[in-house]
This record gives sequence, structure tokens and C-alpha cells, in this order.
Amino acid sequence: DIQMTQSPSSLSASVGDRVTITCRASQGISNYVTWLQQIPGKAPKSLIYAASSLESGVPSRFSGSGSGTDFTLTISSLQPEDFATYYCQKYNDYPVTFGQGTKVEIK
Amino acid sequence: QLQLQESGPGLVKPSETLSLTCTVSGGSISSSNYYWGWIRQPPGKGLEWIASVYYSGTTYYNPSLKSRVTISADTSKNQFSLKLYSVTAADTAVYYCARSKEGRPPRPLAYWGQGTQVTVSS
Repeated sequence: DIQMTQSPSSLSASVGDRVTITCRASQGISNYVTWLQQIPGKAPKSLIYAASSLESGVPSRFSGSGSGTDFTLTISSLQPEDFATYYCQKYNDYPVTFGQGTKVEIK
Repeated sequence: QLQLQESGPGLVKPSETLSLTCTVSGGSISSSNYYWGWIRQPPGKGLEWIASVYYSGTTYYNPSLKSRVTISADTSKNQFSLKLYSVTAADTAVYYCARSKEGRPPRPLAYWGQGTQVTVSS
């Protein structure tokens, strides 16, 4: 099975900071990656699909990039509502797997 | 507006069967444009995909759970279901149902229900 290794596992940042989270696949998966945001006590919400396509309604400060094995989620200017846990997910084939998550905390 | 609502017992005894249903509104589970799935999240941990079902009845399972899981769809009720057999405390989790995006495959699971807490305890 293809594993998704996400880093860092947590980070502290301030409002207005630029934040980058990375996800590495153990094999090439083209661009079949999504990024999800999970606020505590809530269901995950899809932010980005196909590595770089923004879901409808998601603020443009979120962006994704990458292809093959290395993928990045960037928040250009962190806002108070962005403090959450972020997961990558690969979906090129089965089984679907997720990264371990990155918790973004307030500095 | 798509809505997915999980339902089922919140408490299951060890060795018994966990049964959950996802009721879909705002979309038909018999549409060929989507597929449906279950994901779980143990307390304080990450996300684990369990299984997916297509309109054709084709199913896919997480290899780590395959021997204990069945996913099925009931088009007459616009619902799909999960059965997890011989549960242990390790199966305690929030269980989410989800729908895929539409479009050309492969497509990710992208629209999630609110989740339902299931605790395995005697």
C-alpha cells in the first residue's frame, strides 16, 4: 500500500504568517491528492483536490502544489479560523490512505 | 443541497457487530456520478478509510479491516450501510460517511457527514 507521510505533525504560528505543510507519497501518485481541514469536534472539510484545485467556497489564501510523490499545502496568511488539523489524502487507487495530520496551533 | 446523516447505536459490546447507516438527501446513491464510503477516526487520532461502494454494487475494503467489514447500498431507501463484525475497544471511533466528488475517475471522497461516535464497551 502507498503510504502518505505528512510533516510537520504540529506547528505554532501567528495570525498573518505563511504556513506550509508537506505530504510525501511512498510511490508516485500523479496529482491524486486532496487536502482536508478538520476543526475540533467537526467533520473534515475538503479544501483542495487534484493537488492544486481549490474547492468551491474555499478562501484563496489556501493553495496546493505538487505531483508525483511530493505535495504541499500553503496558507498564505493565517487567519484565526484556520487553526485546525490538516490531512492529506491520496486517491489514485485503493486503499485510500491519509497522512497522519498536521495540527496548526496559535503561537 | 447534499446532506449525509449517520445513524446507529452509540454503544456496542465487544465481539458484537457494529451497524451504521448513512441516509443521503439531496442526491441519489444510484447515480453513476458518485461513489460512497465510510471513514473512521479513533479518539485523538487520524483518519482511516474503511470501505467504499459504487452504484453498480462494486465494493472496496481497507485490507486491514476486510475480513470484518461489509458495505452495502439500499437504493430504495437512498441509504448505504456499514457492518463491522467482532468489534473490540480498538474500534471505538467517530465514524463518518462520505460521498465522492463527481467527474472523471479517480475521484476523492469529498463531502462528509457530521460523524457518529461509536464506543465499544461492555
